Amino acid sequence: DSGVTQTPKHLITATGQRVTLRCSPRSGDLSVYWYQQSLDQGLQFLIQYYNGEERAKGNILERFSAQQFPDLHSELNLSSLELGDSALYFCASSLGTGNEPVTQYFGPGTRLLVL
Amino acid sequence: AQSVAQPEDQVNVAEGNPLTVKCTYSVSGNPYLFWYVQYPNRGLQFLLKYITGDNLVKGSYGFEAEFNKSQTSFHLKKPSALVSDSALYFCAVRDREGGYQKVTFGTGTKLQVIP
Repeated sequence: DSGVTQTPKHLITATGQRVTLRCSPRSGDLSVYWYQQSLDQGLQFLIQYYNGEERAKGNILERFSAQQFPDLHSELNLSSLELGDSALYFCASSLGTGNEPVTQYFGPGTRLLVL
Repeated sequence: AQSVAQPEDQVNVAEGNPLTVKCTYSVSGNPYLFWYVQYPNRGLQFLLKYITGDNLVKGSYGFEAEFNKSQTSFHLKKPSALVSDSALYFCAVRDREGGYQKVTFGTGTKLQVIP
């Protein structure tokens, strides 16, 4: 158990809908990262937050957004969902800002299925 | 831009034999390198990382990896494979320079240890 929690574990929804994925980092970790894992594109970095502020952006679509709250939990919002958004979404957390070569600790993931 | 390549989609090895999972990388400067393992229906777990110093890095579960700057490689090794090592292995790289940088993951190599 990494100490990172994600809810829900599974999510089934329809195209065009909007969903929110939630992540709670390990105790003491200030950075949260979001990744998408799909069969055709592998593990893709989406976005990183550090202590409430956006720190780095990866291959995140404009339909997707994230935020980190004062209690350090983070939410990833996916809107106007398409079939291709079906994937495993992982959250990871780490100490520090990410500028250091820190280890990222991954949550168990949320499996999203868009029908 | 940084990138990482895992040239083998799958590696099969007999239990008790040594195993190697290959990884090569490309960064503009000096790299930070990581190996993670993913068991079925689980998040990624950290195995080991190279930051600086000794080219041979020892990690969890008896795994080790050797940093080779001239060959830009960071192959994962274990002297004697266990059936329980069967999983998906990811190599990841991050450039040391440039401030807040995302970690780029490889596409993963499925390791199958045959009893």
